[in-house]
Amino acid sequence: IAGITQAPTSQILAAGRRMTLRCTQDMRHNAMYWYRQDLGLGLRLIHYSNTAGTTGKGEVPDGYSVSRANTDDFPLTLASAVPSQTSVYFCASSDSFGLNTGELFFGEGSRLTVL
Amino acid sequence: AQTVTQSQPEMSVQEAETVTLSCTYDTSENNYYLFWYKQPPSRQMILVIRQEAYKQQNATENRFSVNFQKAAKSFSLKISDSQLGDTAMYFCAFMKLPQGAQKLVFGQGTRLTINP
Repeated sequence: IAGITQAPTSQILAAGRRMTLRCTQDMRHNAMYWYRQDLGLGLRLIHYSNTAGTTGKGEVPDGYSVSRANTDDFPLTLASAVPSQTSVYFCASSDSFGLNTGELFFGEGSRLTVL
Repeated sequence: AQTVTQSQPEMSVQEAETVTLSCTYDTSENNYYLFWYKQPPSRQMILVIRQEAYKQQNATENRFSVNFQKAAKSFSLKISDSQLGDTAMYFCAFMKLPQGAQKLVFGQGTRLTINP
């Protein structure tokens, strides 16, 4: 069972370029999330999706967009990357319609460096 | 808005010792969950333990236990008989109830090193 797959694992990007981080899950979870992890700040929610076709803004949504065309995929797009978006990005999923235990399942992260 | 604070950026103990990681949170909610997640060097976050706020009994999972003090808004993690594999970043997290998508609010993290 793969769980959550993120791509790329690592990427160096020039400022101003467009970048899409990919996330795919095989657990049929209804909810998906994008967090960014920065030293001293922990993880902060960028965007989330409760079900396919719906998305919502998290704590730090500016400069990012998401889409949820189907249950399995939840790509995160940086339309015009800036150096402050240098971070490690984590995709996660959960079954909020089931036991609603609050447990999130995370991918292994994508390290993005914007120069 | 909820906030979660971990005041210990780094901790280090010897193998087999007991270590306690601190976490405080601020909320006006009455129904919520609290979590401790572990992030080993592989980067993938793993749930360690969960506490429902309505439960007075502290959660335990093998060597991991919590001290949940609701009135004080404190949620510490105790690791007994620490092992080298416990070396990781540990994050405390908060989630209010009820809600659809389970949006967690994380603390800053504590880097724990277990020395042989």
